[in-house]
Amino acid sequence: AQSVSQHNHHVILSEAASLELGCNYSYGGTVNLFWYVQYPGQHLQLLLKYFSGDPLVKGIKGFEAEFIKSKFSFNLRKPSVQWSDTAEYFCAVNAPYGGSQGNLIFGKGTKLSVKP
Amino acid sequence: GAGVSQSPRYKVAKRGQDVALRCDPISGHVSLFWYQQALGQGPEFLTYFQNEAQLDKSGLPSDRFFAERPEGSVSTLKIQRTQQEDSAVYLCASSFGPQYNEQFFGPGTRLTVL
Repeated sequence: AQSVSQHNHHVILSEAASLELGCNYSYGGTVNLFWYVQYPGQHLQLLLKYFSGDPLVKGIKGFEAEFIKSKFSFNLRKPSVQWSDTAEYFCAVNAPYGGSQGNLIFGKGTKLSVKP
Repeated sequence: GAGVSQSPRYKVAKRGQDVALRCDPISGHVSLFWYQQALGQGPEFLTYFQNEAQLDKSGLPSDRFFAERPEGSVSTLKIQRTQQEDSAVYLCASSFGPQYNEQFFGPGTRLTVL
């Protein structure tokens, strides 16, 4: 069965620090990859997605992620975090040819706290 | 509306009660998903609709869970004879076209079973 692992449960950073959140998935076939963010009191929003093409994808608010197929990874990065980036971040995958109907498989999430 | 809406936002039920959770997807969105998010976990897939057809219900945890989308727009997730382990946030998501498009999520319904 497909699964997604997010290595960090809670990350605490100071403003202007660089961020990297790890995400690994287990599925050998073609995948679509997503990072969603949930700000306090708000619903899940898409940060960025990878379907095909350039493995380095850029999303909203200065976030980017790199798909490394050989490592089954899709890590999220931001060079300089802001207090407003405090949120929970979820990595998710779906497998277009894996027999599913497009449902997303989510990791457990990483809480990011940014100290002003 | 501009986004996916869900109602109620909060629901408290006594064990054994039946509950119904509603999802209004973005107008024109063909695909609709239900997910369950337990505390401290990521969302887990429950069921999928393409228009009014329920194409996948493999994630429903028991036969107490039932979902419908009779006219291909609004969907209802019903849980019969609720149990404490049903306590979770229930999320609805919709997407425009084929199921591999971006999914837009609603705010969720937080269900607490006492």
